[in-house]
Amino acid sequence: AQTVTQSQPEMSVQEAETVTLSCTYDTSESDYYLFWYKQPPSRQMILVIRQEAYKQQNATENRFSVNFQKAAKSFSLKISDSQLGDAAMYFCAYKGTVDSNYQLIWGAGTKLIIKP
Amino acid sequence: NAGVMQNPRHLVRRRGQEARLRCSPMKGHSHVYWYRQLPEEGLKFMVYLQKENIIDESGMPKERFSAEFPKEGPSILRIQQVVRGDSAAYFCASSPRLGISGNTIYFGEGSWLTVV
Repeated sequence: AQTVTQSQPEMSVQEAETVTLSCTYDTSESDYYLFWYKQPPSRQMILVIRQEAYKQQNATENRFSVNFQKAAKSFSLKISDSQLGDAAMYFCAYKGTVDSNYQLIWGAGTKLIIKP
Repeated sequence: NAGVMQNPRHLVRRRGQEARLRCSPMKGHSHVYWYRQLPEEGLKFMVYLQKENIIDESGMPKERFSAEFPKEGPSILRIQQVVRGDSAAYFCASSPRLGISGNTIYFGEGSWLTVV
């Protein structure tokens, strides 16, 4: 069974600086999708960025980028120029392409604190 | 194009009462998923439905929980005889169709159930 691990329960960063959130996963599949979701205090679940495993190029979305290391099964999120509005829980999620490929497998989350 | 709409956002029930949570998927989406988020945890898959069909309910507790997605109207997650352990956030998500692997799943803002 696939698993997703976020080893950092909480991270803090100074406003305008860069922070990296870690995520590792375990799977026997070769084709899959990885996502980072943000859950602010409003508790809405917002998609931040997604990565297709077959793509070697790391996904980028404005100030958000990922470091996808397929062999190491690592999928970290880098937030550049951190802003107060980035404060939230960040969840890493995995979605396979075979059995039960509609399910998202979630990590436990990392709480990101932005210091003004 | 309205997003995934969930209501109520917050619901308080006494032990033994019934809770009904509603979800209207995004326009054009025919696949609905329900996830549960317990405090300090990531989301856990509960059930996957298409119109008038339950495709996978492997994440649903065997008793007291049921879900439907009728031909007309929203999807309903029903919890009978609620207990304190049912207190959680219940997220609904939708996607257009399953044929395209990796199509992104869009989440609603969640319904927070508190059992007192």
